[in-house]
Amino acid sequence: EEKLVESGGGLVQPGRSLRLSCTASGFTFSNYWMHWVRQAPGKGLVWIARLDGDGNNIGYADSVRGRFTVSRDNAKNTLYLEMTSLRGEDAAVFYCARDGGYSSGYFDTFDLWGQGTVVTVSS
Amino acid sequence: DIQMTQSPAALSASVGDRVTITCRASQSIDIHLNWYQQKPGKAPKLLICGASSLQSGVPSRFSGSGSATDFTLTISSLQPEDFATYYCQQSYGEVVTFGGGTKVDIK
Repeated sequence: EEKLVESGGGLVQPGRSLRLSCTASGFTFSNYWMHWVRQAPGKGLVWIARLDGDGNNIGYADSVRGRFTVSRDNAKNTLYLEMTSLRGEDAAVFYCARDGGYSSGYFDTFDLWGQGTVVTVSS
Repeated sequence: DIQMTQSPAALSASVGDRVTITCRASQSIDIHLNWYQQKPGKAPKLLICGASSLQSGVPSRFSGSGSATDFTLTISSLQPEDFATYYCQQSYGEVVTFGGGTKVDIK
């Protein structure tokens, strides 16, 4: 079974840092671009970042560029999101998602999602 | 960034109804448009990519159409398990953007 499992969420004070992880199983992780998407409570989906299978080609949303860093360790089948200088508006459920490009040719299409990890930013 | 506008924001419908959700892009995105279904407390699920290509395992009552700036998601006969929030998403621009969502609930 193809699966993504996020971890690392929790309560963090404003201005502090947090690292999220997303562990993949059931597919060849290194073949796929990966993304992070977040959803604030009661709100819609917002794309945050992407990186390619080698971890060399990276893109960010303006709202997180310079504060968040996406990376991966293909030997561990794991995607990371390092978040610094966290703000109240960063509070959300964070999802990792697999890019469908390798499977279907439709890039920037999210064909597999994790269950999400909750980040709360509060003093 | 490309703005995606969905309408309506919410609708009430009955089992068996035909439901149509629209999505408009702020510029042409060809057919780089995807649709997701999200149920409360769950991750989104990809329904349709490339504007009209149904994902494997998705019931045929779901269909998508459109190109350039105007797109629609149609559910031909609404089933109880279809009550959810639906999002469109463009995969044309460097920055991926989603529509604001359409919540479909029971009339």
